[in-house]
Amino acid sequence: QKEVEQDPGPLSVPEGAIVSLNCTYSNSAFQYFMWYRQYSRKGPELLMYTYSSGNKEDGRFTAQVDKSSKYISLFIRDSQPSDSATYLCAMSGFGNEKLTFGTGTRLTIIP
Amino acid sequence: GAVVSQHPSWVICKSGTSVKIECRSLDFQATTMFWYRQFPKQSLMLMATSNEGSKATYEQGVEKDKFLINHASLTLSTLTVTSAHPEDSSFYICSARVRVTREYGYTFGSGTRLTVV
Repeated sequence: QKEVEQDPGPLSVPEGAIVSLNCTYSNSAFQYFMWYRQYSRKGPELLMYTYSSGNKEDGRFTAQVDKSSKYISLFIRDSQPSDSATYLCAMSGFGNEKLTFGTGTRLTIIP
Repeated sequence: GAVVSQHPSWVICKSGTSVKIECRSLDFQATTMFWYRQFPKQSLMLMATSNEGSKATYEQGVEKDKFLINHASLTLSTLTVTSAHPEDSSFYICSARVRVTREYGYTFGSGTRLTVV
């Protein structure tokens, strides 16, 4: 079993829809949770960072962490064609600088 | 925000030659740099962790003699693919842990697409 599971998609939704992306994990030591967006042939860019459980909102993006269920989510409201990219979840633990990534979900927003 | 500049963005080389990829932290000091490899439609695989002034720590299965990492200064880390072969063709990305941005996280270079022919 992988430490981090993420549905690779592809996921296609119409413009303006709410997008829900998810990851599950098995390592209870993970404390820091991140979402990255990666456009084709580019490096990942940080979208959201969350420590421990809870919600965080930034513009159209909301990140949720449920440590009891070992489940994290990213919601994108009012999705735009420019949101079309691969979204990667990543996480790490205390005192451990290494990031463990999900496989990434390829998202396409249809105009 | 913290920026990591990675060069070249793409390179084609002949089999058997060596290729050097550079990552520079432009407005912060990166004591630790991470090097990843990414195959098409797959996630990032950590290859090694480099610390300024010391030897890199390689992940299991990564040949340290083939993928030479140097982190001689707080702003520069390099990855050299030695005696490259077609199976080394991949997308290589560096990353640094940053504390200077509003959000704690890791900033990534733009990646280098290596094609070995």
